[in-house]
Amino acid sequence: DTGVSQDPRHKITKRGQNVTFRCDPISEHNRLYWYRQTLGQGPEFLTYFQNEAQLEKSRLLSDRFSAERPKGSFSTLEIQRTEQGDSAMYLCASSLALETAPTDTQYFGPGTRLTVL
Amino acid sequence: AQSVTQPDIHITVSEGASLELRCNYSYGATPYLFWYVQSPGQGLQLLLKYFSGDTLVQGIKGFEAEFKRSQSSFNLRKPSVHWSDAAEYFCAVGARSNTGKLIFGQGTTLQVKP
Repeated sequence: DTGVSQDPRHKITKRGQNVTFRCDPISEHNRLYWYRQTLGQGPEFLTYFQNEAQLEKSRLLSDRFSAERPKGSFSTLEIQRTEQGDSAMYLCASSLALETAPTDTQYFGPGTRLTVL
Repeated sequence: AQSVTQPDIHITVSEGASLELRCNYSYGATPYLFWYVQSPGQGLQLLLKYFSGDTLVQGIKGFEAEFKRSQSSFNLRKPSVHWSDAAEYFCAVGARSNTGKLIFGQGTTLQVKP
C-alpha cells in the first residue's frame, strides 16, 4: 500500500493558463475526493467520485473546474483560465465505501500547491 | 447546515505538558467525527475517528478524543506533548448520509515550547 499520491506537488502558472492535476488513490479504494485548502483554512470539499461516477459537486466548483475519473482509478482535476483566487493547496483523498459500513474513512495525499501569478 | 468550530486558532504548550484542542460541531443528528493532523506542506493524516459506541476513542501517537453529545463537542487530548506534535490539527464532521464528504474546522496550530 503506497498511499494516495498526487502529481505535481507544486505548480506555478500565469493567470489565464490551464492546469491539470492528477491523483492516484489507494488501489482498492472505490471513492475519490477532491478538496481545496487556502492558507489558514481547513480543507473545503469540491467533488467526489464513486468508481467512475461523479456523485456530488460543491458550489465552489465553478464552470472553469472539471474533474474526471475515467476508469474508476486515477482522477484528474483541471482548472481552465486560472485566476489568482485559484491559488491554494488541492488535496485528494480516497476511501473504501462498503454498503455494510456506516461511513468511510478518507486517506489524504500530500496535495498539489498551485500558485497563480 | 453542518459546521465545525475550532475556537482556538493557535495554542502554545510546553513539551511534556498536557494538551486539549477543542472542537464543536453543529449537526442535526449524531455525526461521524474525525481528527486529522497536518504538518507544514503536507497532506492530512488521520489521528482518530468516532462512529458510534464508546465515546472515548483512542488514536495514533498517544492522542484520544471524547465525544460529548450534550455539548456537541469532540475535544482532542494528549497527556504529554512531544516537540514532534507541533503541527496543525483539524476536526471534521461527516454526514450520516452516503455522500461521505467531510466538513472541516478552521484548524488549530499547535506550537510546542522546549
